[in-house]
Amino acid sequence: GQNIDQPTEMTATEGAIVQINCTYQTSGFNGLFWYQQHAGEAPTFLSYNVLDGLEEKGRFSSFLSRSKGYSYLLLKELQMKDSASYLCAVMDSNYQLIWGAGTKLIIKP
Amino acid sequence: DGGITQSPKYLFRKEGQNVTLSCEQNLNHDAMYWYRQDPGQGLRLIYYSQIVNDFQKGDIAEGYSVSREKKESFPLTVTSAQKNPTAFYLCASTRTPEGTGELFFGEGSRLTVL
Repeated sequence: GQNIDQPTEMTATEGAIVQINCTYQTSGFNGLFWYQQHAGEAPTFLSYNVLDGLEEKGRFSSFLSRSKGYSYLLLKELQMKDSASYLCAVMDSNYQLIWGAGTKLIIKP
Repeated sequence: DGGITQSPKYLFRKEGQNVTLSCEQNLNHDAMYWYRQDPGQGLRLIYYSQIVNDFQKGDIAEGYSVSREKKESFPLTVTSAQKNPTAFYLCASTRTPEGTGELFFGEGSRLTVL
């Protein structure tokens, strides 16, 4: 079966750095997405990785290792507004998205 | 500004009633999707449409129906056959018919069955 695993909840301190991991087992691979979702709102796109390596976009970076079936989202200089759920999704060989359950990130002052 | 509009934002339904959730987009996107989100679970695909007058079942289509008569519109009907319809429903679209690329989401509709 196809599976995406990410931690259920993480806590970090304002101004710090946090890394949210995502491991996957899918039928084929056509890219990995990260989305941010604030409580009660719709997800918004953060990043897309299809090749191995690190993609940096401001305070947010996303890393992919296809051989390990592993990605992480790195958030630097955490702000209170970063409190949200972070969703990992993998596009399989049929171009269908497989979603993880999301990681709820709690930022403390 | 272009985007996806879902309505209503909140909806209450009595058991045995059908309800229709509206989804309209002015992004000129070909592909549109309906997802269901439940606490502690990943998004689950209900139906998707890659082109007008055509749509495909997703992983959890039972108890739901859709239509795609116009490119801009993709309404979802939650029928009385859906056993557990209380959930957060998200409509989304992608630029390409194949569904590659990022998803653009509407604000969501929260359905509660009384």
